[in-house]
Amino acid sequence: GQNIDQPTEMTATEGAIVQINCTYQTSGFNGLFWYQQHAGEAPTFLSYNVLDGLEEKGRFSSFLSRSKGYSYLLLKELQMKDSASYLCAASDSNYQLIWGAGTKLIIKP
Amino acid sequence: GAVVSQHPSRVICKSGTSVKIECRSLDFQATTMFWYRQFPKKSLMLMATSNEGSKATYEQGVEKDKFLINHASLTLSTLTVTSAHPEDSSFYICSARRLPESTEAFFGQGTRLTVV
Repeated sequence: GQNIDQPTEMTATEGAIVQINCTYQTSGFNGLFWYQQHAGEAPTFLSYNVLDGLEEKGRFSSFLSRSKGYSYLLLKELQMKDSASYLCAASDSNYQLIWGAGTKLIIKP
Repeated sequence: GAVVSQHPSRVICKSGTSVKIECRSLDFQATTMFWYRQFPKKSLMLMATSNEGSKATYEQGVEKDKFLINHASLTLSTLTVTSAHPEDSSFYICSARRLPESTEAFFGQGTRLTVV
């Protein structure tokens, strides 16, 4: 079956760095997405990886290892506004998005 | 980035009535639109995939007659919740992709439906 695993909740301190991990099992693979979702709002796109390696975009970076079925989202210089849920989604052979349950990130002062 | 507009953002309706939610791609043509439902503290649950000019493909367990989806044009898809009941109260979100293979899905703002 197809499955995405990510931690339910993480806590970090303002100004610090946090890494949110995601493992996936899909029928075929056409890329891995990370989305940010604030409570009561729709998800917003953060990153897309289809090749192995690290993609850096400002304070956010995303890493992919296809052989391990593993990705992580790295958030640096955490700000209070980064408190949100972070959703990992993998695109399967039919380009269908398989969603993880999301990781709720709590930022403390 | 592309813009997807979803309307209304919030709706309260009486049990037994029907509610229509619109999803529009404002600056691109969306061959495929997706409808999701999200429960509190849960991830997105895909309800159906709608392709312009053809019938929607519903996920297992989603009632076709209850959740009517119409994708009449390349810029508009609608979800109608028929004979709504309190258990249908949820956050409904649409997303659109330019092409099925497009790397990014653009989301509407979501609709908070409350059935009383």
